[in-house]
Amino acid sequence: RKEVEQDPGPFNVPEGATVAFNCTYSNSASQSFFWYRQDCRKEPKLLMSVYSSGNEDGRFTAQLNRASQYISLLIRDSKLSDSATYLCVCSGNTPLVFGKGTRLSVIA
Amino acid sequence: DTGVSQNPRHKITKRGQNVTFRCDPISEHNRLYWYRQTLGQGPEFLTYFQNEAQLEKSRLLSDRFSAERPKGSFSTLEIQRTEQGDSAMYLCASGRAFSDTQYFGPGTRLTVL
Repeated sequence: RKEVEQDPGPFNVPEGATVAFNCTYSNSASQSFFWYRQDCRKEPKLLMSVYSSGNEDGRFTAQLNRASQYISLLIRDSKLSDSATYLCVCSGNTPLVFGKGTRLSVIA
Repeated sequence: DTGVSQNPRHKITKRGQNVTFRCDPISEHNRLYWYRQTLGQGPEFLTYFQNEAQLEKSRLLSDRFSAERPKGSFSTLEIQRTEQGDSAMYLCASGRAFSDTQYFGPGTRLTVL
């Protein structure tokens, strides 16, 4: 079983739609959680950290459920520029452990 | 640009050749990480340094791979006797001790023919 699992997609959604991505992790010792965004052939860029209390940054909301070992990302009012791969990331000690990513295409 | 930089951005080599990549981290960051990413996969951890000390190596880092950070600033990753399976994007990231937040460089894309 992979340590971090995500639905690879692709998710094809129209502009303005709300889309949610889910992720599960197997290492209960994981302490820190993130969502990274990666555009095609570019490096991953930190989108947001994920906290147990949930956190919101503009159109993006992240949630963590430690009991279920589950992380989510909600994107509201999708823009064309949101098209990318979204990587779910956990850290138990120092190296980051990445999921394979979920590909999102926002269509006009 | 004060972000993480990597050189070269692209490298094409023949099987059996040695290659070396360089990473310059964000200047105030004392941790430096190397990851490898292949198509359709997320980045996979290879090794990391705190200052000049190499603190952890993944089992992915075979004996053909070696990394150094001699002065605690830039780092090099060398692959000896390259194989076609080494073709990947090699990503460097930097961060601060006691923080899990890491910032990635643009990567070096290696193609082994």
